[in-house]
Amino acid sequence: GAGVSQSPSNKVTEKGKDVELRCDPISGHTALYWYRQRLGQGLEFLIYFQGNSAPDKSGLPSDRFSAERTGESVSTLTIQRTQQEDSAVYLCASSFWDRVLIGTDTQYFGPGTRLTVL
Amino acid sequence: EDQVTQSPEALRLQEGESSSLNCSYTVSGLRGLFWYRQDPGKGPEFLFTLYSAGEEKEKERLKATLTKKESFLHITAPKPEDSATYLCAVQATSGTYKYIFGTGTRLKVLA
Repeated sequence: GAGVSQSPSNKVTEKGKDVELRCDPISGHTALYWYRQRLGQGLEFLIYFQGNSAPDKSGLPSDRFSAERTGESVSTLTIQRTQQEDSAVYLCASSFWDRVLIGTDTQYFGPGTRLTVL
Repeated sequence: EDQVTQSPEALRLQEGESSSLNCSYTVSGLRGLFWYRQDPGKGPEFLFTLYSAGEEKEKERLKATLTKKESFLHITAPKPEDSATYLCAVQATSGTYKYIFGTGTRLKVLA
């Protein structure tokens, strides 16, 4: 089946503008994650959605960052008033997370959106 | 604090020269350890999940092993197409779904 898809693949914006990044998870996956990857660095957790539960926003770096998810489908990550330090690759992943079931933890990643803030 | 350290940061091998990548971890309780491959400009591609010490998994020229403190990714007779960044991540048993990633090992295999 189809994997995780993200759009756009590349986004160049000017400092101070708002941007919206989109993620389509694998069908049937209940959990969705956003990560940020700065050049030469590891993946940094941003936010997590699981079904109808309240999202875990503990990784969002500032109140300029927000995310929404509609049911168990599409998610959008919004960055308001972008800054140059927001330049990074934003990765989305999904999984069929179940707290008890072994083997449901594996996260599958999309290709990412490369954001460049000028 | 949960932590993952990968070594070396970068590795250059001749084609056919076998080697191992290391992932050392500190976590309150390990639910799973994950290996991914990431090519430039792409998202991480899932390779293996390991759950308990002593477990091993293989896929083509790759073999992942796990102890209570570290995991190794063994690459046997690598080819140039194995060149990529290899990422390790852990997930704790505390109920959290979060992955803690290492910074990766950049592997270059020369023909």
